[in-house]
Amino acid sequence: GAVVSQHPSRVICKSGTSVKIECRSLDFQATTMFWYRQFPKQSLMLMATSNEGSKATYEQGVEKDKFLINHASLTLSTLTVTSAHPEDSSFYICSAGKSRTDTQYFGPGTRLTVL
Amino acid sequence: KQEVTQIPAALSVPEGENLVLNCSFTDSAIYNLQWFRQDPGKGLTSLLLIQSSQREQTSGRLNASLDKSSGRSTLYIAASQPGDSATYLCAVKGGNQFYFGTGTSLTVIP
Repeated sequence: GAVVSQHPSRVICKSGTSVKIECRSLDFQATTMFWYRQFPKQSLMLMATSNEGSKATYEQGVEKDKFLINHASLTLSTLTVTSAHPEDSSFYICSAGKSRTDTQYFGPGTRLTVL
Repeated sequence: KQEVTQIPAALSVPEGENLVLNCSFTDSAIYNLQWFRQDPGKGLTSLLLIQSSQREQTSGRLNASLDKSSGRSTLYIAASQPGDSATYLCAVKGGNQFYFGTGTSLTVIP
């Protein structure tokens, strides 16, 4: 089956710093990847759609200047949380699929804690 | 906007019982519906994918049904085991987006 990896799995940073999270599709190419955020005991909320070679599409209420997304290749998308604050502490998960109707494969998630 | 609801929010059953988890969605224009399992602090594991043209899918002790016209899906788990304890999420795909339900936290008591 298809595998999606995320790095790092866990990161702790100080308030005001920036953190980059990588999402890779290991054995397939993905023109579109998705970034989600999950707060404790809540469901996943779509943050943005990452499009290879073009700008990301952000959901309403998600600050594009704070959550920078880069989809430089068909196997890699990055999410950078800029000037992180404690309220950005969350579980960030990415997903990718081979096609529009295919199963979505999810990464293992990245736990971000901002002190 | 698509809204996905899961009932119940939490469920506790003794080992061996059969159980049903429910998922409802407001917009029937979907590509597919997927059931996931999430263990605490972990990512998502895909369990079953039902395309919009299908009525059900089966994998081992799991059976998922889809009634697109009524906006409902069920996940049936047969002969539950303690290892089934996790949060179960359903998600519908409309356009290029996934919309997730609120999840059902399942505890199977040995």
